[in-house]
Amino acid sequence: AQSVTQLGSHVSVSEGALVLLRCNYSSSVPPYLFWYVQYPNQGLQLLLKYTTGATLVKGINGFEAEFKKSETSFHLTKPSAHMSDAAEYFCAVRGPGNQFYFGTGTSLTVIP
Amino acid sequence: EPEVTQTPSHQVTQMGQEVILRCVPISNHLYFYWYRQILGQKVEFLVSFYNNEISEKSEIFDDQFSVERPDGSNFTLKIRSTKLEDSAMYFCASSRTADYGYTFGSGTRLTVV
Repeated sequence: AQSVTQLGSHVSVSEGALVLLRCNYSSSVPPYLFWYVQYPNQGLQLLLKYTTGATLVKGINGFEAEFKKSETSFHLTKPSAHMSDAAEYFCAVRGPGNQFYFGTGTSLTVIP
Repeated sequence: EPEVTQTPSHQVTQMGQEVILRCVPISNHLYFYWYRQILGQKVEFLVSFYNNEISEKSEIFDDQFSVERPDGSNFTLKIRSTKLEDSAMYFCASSRTADYGYTFGSGTRLTVV
């Protein structure tokens, strides 16, 4: 069965500090993993995805994530937080039939 | 950049009424989806649609719900006899292929009173 666990429903970082949002997954098939961002009153925007190949994937806005099969993790990072990064972040794993299973989300606050 | 468009952005309806949520997927996409997000909870899969039929649906998607692609551009979600617990943000999404990442719309916030 497919599922995603996001550790930490709220994360606060100072502007310029490292952003680390954690995601662990469970999948009965080789996983396709995704990170989405949701700004207030907006839809879900794809940040990055891992399907096959290189385990370090780069996305938009300076974010990247590393697929670690041994740890069943797909943590999202950004070296230097910007005020505009404040949003809700969702990790997702694709299941059979292209259905996505989302985590509960992590709300990122950036402190000036 | 192509977008998935959802209307209305916010709909308030009385309990027991029927609502239709509308979506215009990206024009060359073939796979369509509805998800919902109850306030403070996960984004949950409702249904996927391909080739004019439902390809997969979740337990949530019972007889109260239906989807339709009435013409070449729109993709609708109908909720019959709405209940208070149907209040949620409903997201439409589309993808070009089954292996491609989704593009989500900005959502319709449904409030049942």
